[in-house]
Amino acid sequence: ETGVTQTPRHLVMGMTNKKSLKCEQHLGHNAMYWYKQSAKKPLELMFVYNFKEQTENNSVPSRFSPECPNSSHLFLHLHTLQPEDSALYLCASSQVGGGNVWTQYFGPGTRLLVL
Amino acid sequence: DQQVKQNSPSLSVQEGRISILNCDYTNSMFDYFLWYKKYPAEGPTFLISISSIKDKNEDGRFTVFLNKSAKHLSLHIVPSQPGDSAVYFCAASGGTGGFKTIFGAGTRLFVKA
Repeated sequence: ETGVTQTPRHLVMGMTNKKSLKCEQHLGHNAMYWYKQSAKKPLELMFVYNFKEQTENNSVPSRFSPECPNSSHLFLHLHTLQPEDSALYLCASSQVGGGNVWTQYFGPGTRLLVL
Repeated sequence: DQQVKQNSPSLSVQEGRISILNCDYTNSMFDYFLWYKKYPAEGPTFLISISSIKDKNEDGRFTVFLNKSAKHLSLHIVPSQPGDSAVYFCAASGGTGGFKTIFGAGTRLFVKA
């Protein structure tokens, strides 16, 4: 596998379910990100992890819970979601410290539908 | 309040002609700007960037222009090709500290053969 991978690619869940999204980066980067993209809206930054430490939490509801066990893996745990949480969830990574810190490499996303 | 705005949701251009995608921003503290390209069922991919100390950056068929006084940047694609048909996101970073990148809503480009 190369680049940034995300599983599952599609997910349908009820409002009472618990599920997790997984992201893995194979680029040796030290920062990872979760974004939400709703239809016709800008990408919204949710969380940032730098060297496994959470450095940004963009006022995300507690029904979204991130986990970063190491610099290559990032999870987003979902529970008691609402229909308005249906969106494309994108993971990204970047290299912090020297050079261009702002270029992010994205995974293909998980299309989430909450019923 | 959107700090990065792409006011044209879509743009249609004939193959071989120039495509110009526009982006406006409100935060004068931004010091790095990027363009990403997104195909359906794929994540965004980095295309080209520009630092606030420059007013132009060129990479092959792609050129980004930055007008700091107007808080405006544009992406020029010359010549446009059908494979350029995608959604283009403008993004801005820096100034505020941390690792926040603010994205626009995107412009869908159609290049007609």
